[in-house]
Amino acid sequence: QKEVEQNSGPLSVPEGAIASLNCTYSDRGSQSFFWYRQYSGKSPELIMFIYSNGDKEDGRFTAQLNKASQYVSLLIRDSQPSDSATYLCAVNIFGNEKLTFGTGTRLTIIP
Amino acid sequence: GAVVSQHPSWVICKSGTSVKIECRSLDFQATTMFWYRQFPKQSLMLMATSNEGSKATYEQGVEKDKFLINHASLTLSTLTVTSAHPEDSSFYICSPGQDYEQYFGPGTRLTVT
Repeated sequence: QKEVEQNSGPLSVPEGAIASLNCTYSDRGSQSFFWYRQYSGKSPELIMFIYSNGDKEDGRFTAQLNKASQYVSLLIRDSQPSDSATYLCAVNIFGNEKLTFGTGTRLTIIP
Repeated sequence: GAVVSQHPSWVICKSGTSVKIECRSLDFQATTMFWYRQFPKQSLMLMATSNEGSKATYEQGVEKDKFLINHASLTLSTLTVTSAHPEDSSFYICSPGQDYEQYFGPGTRLTVT
């Protein structure tokens, strides 16, 4: 079992709709959870991080964490064509700065 | 967010030569530096972790004598790919870390011919 799993996609969402990206992790010691966006040919950029169970909102983005079920998700409201990218989920364990990445989900927003 | 620079942004070299990639954190001091490699359509793979002034810790399967990492200061780290081969062609990304927040450099695309 991979440590961090994501559906590779591609996930296609109409412009203006909500895009939902999911990630599951295997290590129950995981404490911090990150979502990165990566455009083709570019390095990842941090969108959000979440540490506590529940929802965390930042603009059009909402991260949701459920430690009991070991999943973290990212919702993108009012999707825009510029949101088309690969979204990487990353996890780290408390006391260890090393991040473990999922393989990423490719998201396409259809105008 | 933090500002990280990498140089060069892309490089083409001949097989057997060495290439040095510089990573600088411009507005903060990075206590830890992570170096990643990303092949086309794949996710980031951590190569090594280094702390300022000490030797790097390499991930399993990464040759420490081939990928030389120097983290001489809190704002500068270098990765040298020695005796590069075509299979080393990849996107190399540095990630300075501070207090569990990681920022990524813009990456260096290496092509070995």
